[in-house]
Amino acid sequence: GAGVSQSPSNKVTEKGKDVELRCDPISGHTALYWYRQRLGQGLEFLIYFQGNSAPDKSGLPSDRFSAERTGESVSTLTIQRTQQEDSAVYLCASSPGLAEYSEQFFGPGTRLTVL
Amino acid sequence: KNQVEQSPQSLIILEGKNCTLQCNYTVSPFSNLRWYKQDTGRGPVSLTIMTFSENTKSNGRYTATLDADTKQSSLHITASQLSDSASYICVASQRGSQGNLIFGKGTKLSVKP
Repeated sequence: GAGVSQSPSNKVTEKGKDVELRCDPISGHTALYWYRQRLGQGLEFLIYFQGNSAPDKSGLPSDRFSAERTGESVSTLTIQRTQQEDSAVYLCASSPGLAEYSEQFFGPGTRLTVL
Repeated sequence: KNQVEQSPQSLIILEGKNCTLQCNYTVSPFSNLRWYKQDTGRGPVSLTIMTFSENTKSNGRYTATLDADTKQSSLHITASQLSDSASYICVASQRGSQGNLIFGKGTKLSVKP
């Protein structure tokens, strides 16, 4: 497809388990972003990649969160030892350049529920 | 503190009517202001992007305005349709931020027949 895809679309897990969320950006987009959207809240920046490097990890809420990107393509966001407050929709976006000037294209998100 | 405030929080209008959504931002140094539409269960979709030098930009029935002096923006929707029911998110970009956009909480618009 031509758009950003994310998997899984929904994930239900038990507190304490690890989860891995996947994002496939638009082909050729060098920048990739992860956001978290809690119910009724605005999007919260987590991390962004320029190519395979992550210059800004300032939004990651704790050391339980990590992300990587390989081959300037797919990215995974890993949450270790999940907590109930991690329940949210995790959105991925890609852009042809840095988002300050470029339009971001969002995926449909992964809805994470931690029981 | 960099932040974006939107009003109203929610709005119900009848099909065919116009409406205006408001956005105030305190982002410095300012780069650009965007409006996104987010349908339930979907990712946001860009409607407009305006730099500080632009006062207005249209995208079909959507018209965004920007006053960089007062740090206010509005999104006007003309002749609303049922498909306009969604959350509308105002987003400010900070110059030199390299991608850390500041999102408002959105205005939830419901268009009723």
